Parts: sequence; C-alpha cells; structure tokens
Amino acid sequence: EIVLTQSPATLSLSPGERATLSCRASQSVSSYLAWYQQKPGQAPRLLIYGASNRATGIPARFSGSGSGTDFTLTISNLEPEDFAVYYCQQRSNWPPITFGQGTRLEIK
Amino acid sequence: EVQLVESGGGLVQPGGSLRLSCAASGFTFSNYEMNWVRQAPGKGLEWVSYISSSSGSTIYYADSVKGRFTISRDNAKNSLYLQMNSLRAEDTAVYYCARDRKYQLLSAYGMDVWGQGTTVTVSS
Repeated sequence: EIVLTQSPATLSLSPGERATLSCRASQSVSSYLAWYQQKPGQAPRLLIYGASNRATGIPARFSGSGSGTDFTLTISNLEPEDFAVYYCQQRSNWPPITFGQGTRLEIK
Repeated sequence: EVQLVESGGGLVQPGGSLRLSCAASGFTFSNYEMNWVRQAPGKGLEWVSYISSSSGSTIYYADSVKGRFTISRDNAKNSLYLQMNSLRAEDTAVYYCARDRKYQLLSAYGMDVWGQGTTVTVSS
C-alpha cells in the first residue's frame, strides 16, 4: 500500500499570502496524484488531477506540481474561501486508493 | 445539474447491517466508475470501495471492509449501493459516494462529483 504523508499538518497564513502544501509518497506514483479541498460540513472537491491539471471550474490561483514521490499544491494570493483542509490522493498502484492525512489551512 | 444523493445511514448496533444508496442524476450513470469514501468523525478521508462502469464487473474493497461490505449498482435506477454487514464501531463515519472521472489523455483519475454524505453510527 502506498502511504501519502502531507506536511505541514496545519498552515497558518493570511489572505493574500501564498500557501505551499506538500505531499510525499512512500513509493513513486508517477503523476497519478490528485488534490481535494474540504470545508467543514461539506464534501470534498476535486482541485487537481494528474498532479498538475486543474479540474473544471477551479481558479487559476490553484496549481499543482511534482512527479514520482514529491508533490506540491500551491495557492497563490489566498482568498478567504480557500481556508479549508486539503488532501492528496494517489491512483498509481491501486487498489487501495489512498489519501494523505490532510493539511489544515487556517487563517492567521 | 449533475448530482449524487446518498441515503440509508443511521444508528445500528455492532454486528448489525445497513444498506446505503446513492442516487445519481444529471449524467449518464452507466458510463461512470463509482466509489464509496468514508470519513470518521474528526478524521481524514478513507476509500472504501470501487465499482467499474457499465456492468460493474470489476470491484475492489479496502482491506478494512473486505468480506463485510458489498458494492453494487443498478444502472436502470441510476443508483449505487453499499451493503454493510457485521458492522463495527470503527465503521462509524460519514459515507460519501463519488463519481470517478478518467482523464483519458493522461490516464489519470479524479473523483469529480461527490454526494453530501450519509452518516452511519455503530453503537450499542
């Protein structure tokens, strides 16, 4: 089973700043990595697929990069609605499909 | 509008059974692979099960539910199901159904449509 480790666990930033979230895989997942955003009481929302491709309707301030074992989700110019929990997910070697434990992005 | 609506959650005693349903609308359900994903209170996301499109001939389960849960689909009713037997306290969670989108050029997947979730509580 591929384990995804996200860091940091919590990130405290202010609106307008740039957020950098990390996801590291226990073995290579090539580019088969997705990112999701989840707000309290809501279902997750797909942000990025294939490591770097924005899903439909996702603003350009969200970008993904990386391949192999190290991935980054960058949110430039944070908006108030971006403060949420973010999960990475791999679909390289599945089943099982695995998620990271999440990074909470909170307002500083 | 593309939509998934789960139902069937509730309070059940350990060892009991429950059947979750997920009603799809706004898209051709039979063309899509589907998943169940759960989230225990205050915890992260955990994939539970997958079923292939059309006939649903390919099915996978997480080890934590294998042998106890059964995923199925009825394309005529645009519905996905999860039969849960021998429930344990650790199965307590919000259960989401999620549509799989395969991005063919990249051979990449994303779960692009999610329901609002249904809550399952296993407790005596």
